[in-house]
Amino acid sequence: KNEVEQSPQNLTAQEGEFITINCSYSVGISALHWLQQHPGGGIVSLFMLSSGKKKHGRLIATINIQEKHSSLHITASHPRDSAVYICAVGEKTSYDKVIFGPGTSLSVIP
Amino acid sequence: DAGVIQSPRHEVTEMGQEVTLRCKPISGHDYLFWYRQTMMRGLELLIYFNNNVPIDDSGMPEDRFSAKMPNASFSTLKIQPSEPRDSAVYFCASRSGAGEQFFGPGTRLTVL
Repeated sequence: KNEVEQSPQNLTAQEGEFITINCSYSVGISALHWLQQHPGGGIVSLFMLSSGKKKHGRLIATINIQEKHSSLHITASHPRDSAVYICAVGEKTSYDKVIFGPGTSLSVIP
Repeated sequence: DAGVIQSPRHEVTEMGQEVTLRCKPISGHDYLFWYRQTMMRGLELLIYFNNNVPIDDSGMPEDRFSAKMPNASFSTLKIQPSEPRDSAVYFCASRSGAGEQFFGPGTRLTVL
């Protein structure tokens, strides 16, 4: 069983739809990260959170430490949101040792 | 700042050759990470440095891989000898304190 799992693996949405990507993990963590990887390959850090909720523009990330679950929401999706979204967790015993999920490939159609 | 700089962006080499990947972190960042991304295994942490000192290299696949950080503005990841299964995209990232990581554009390595 992978330590970090994501669902769905692939997602196709119509422009304007509300999108949710889920991440569950099985290890104790110090922090959880959401990353975005564009088709060109570049990786951008979207959020780092250890509790509660964070919002940046149309993106919202939540985490439930007790349930070991996090969600990334995209409101009013746009074709430029098309990318792979990767959940990663920093181990509780070592903040810097990050374990990555397999990623969710999102395609937003105009 | 120019962000994290990696070179080369693409490298094609033959099995058995030595490969050196280079990274220049963002100025002032005290952490530097090397990652590898493959279709089969996704992103994996290889090694990371704090203030130029290697802290954890448990992700380095085998002795053929080595990494150095001779100063705060430069790091190398070397593979010697290279094998086809080393083909991947190698990312370098840097960070200041406990902040977010900034990734370089990656080096796409193909070993024939």
